[in-house]
Amino acid sequence: GAGVSQSPSNKVTEKGKDVELRCDPISGHTALYWYRQRLGQGLEFLIYFQGNSAPDKSGLPSDRFSAERTGESVSTLTIQRTQQEDSAVYLCASSPEGTSGNIQYFGAGTRLSVL
Amino acid sequence: QKEVEQDPGPLSVPEGAIVSLNCTYSNSAFQYFMWYRQYSRKGPELLMYTYSSGNKEDGRFTAQVDKSSKYISLFIRDSQPSDSATYLCAMSGVWSGNTPLVFGKGTRLSVIA
Repeated sequence: GAGVSQSPSNKVTEKGKDVELRCDPISGHTALYWYRQRLGQGLEFLIYFQGNSAPDKSGLPSDRFSAERTGESVSTLTIQRTQQEDSAVYLCASSPEGTSGNIQYFGAGTRLSVL
Repeated sequence: QKEVEQDPGPLSVPEGAIVSLNCTYSNSAFQYFMWYRQYSRKGPELLMYTYSSGNKEDGRFTAQVDKSSKYISLFIRDSQPSDSATYLCAMSGVWSGNTPLVFGKGTRLSVIA
């Protein structure tokens, strides 16, 4: 499978718990993005990583959200002390460097439900 | 005003109809325009992209950009039930350099057989 892989596909958690979402980008893709998609809404940018550069965290909604990426491989998005408004689909995308760099390839997402 | 506005629908059409999907935007720096298709419980997949103003055709799909009006469209000819999905417009001011895309809310389309 050469696509973007996300796990888990579904996550149900209780308010106040921490959750960790994982993204495996396409091999060789230097850029990795996290978006949030609330019900009936468009994709909301959260954070992006480009190679070994400092990540662009400008879209993170609060300090409860953080993300890490090791080199050009797996990324994890962590949400601490989850709130009900965090319920959404969290989508990860990756893209190669170069002239086609803005074509982003998406995973199927993690559907997070905070009870 | 949001940077990108897109009518969420839902839009329901009979099989074979011509479908028109539209987005307006406010940021004149946007140069690259994309349409993504998202099936239920799947991630968005790129359908078409265009640069600046003009038309681009790919099979039954045509993308149009009118930068003077800040208006983009996606036309689907001879629509099929398999076209039933949510269509998201996305745009960016930069092509290379990997920047986040700005998305519309998406229009949910149903093509009825």
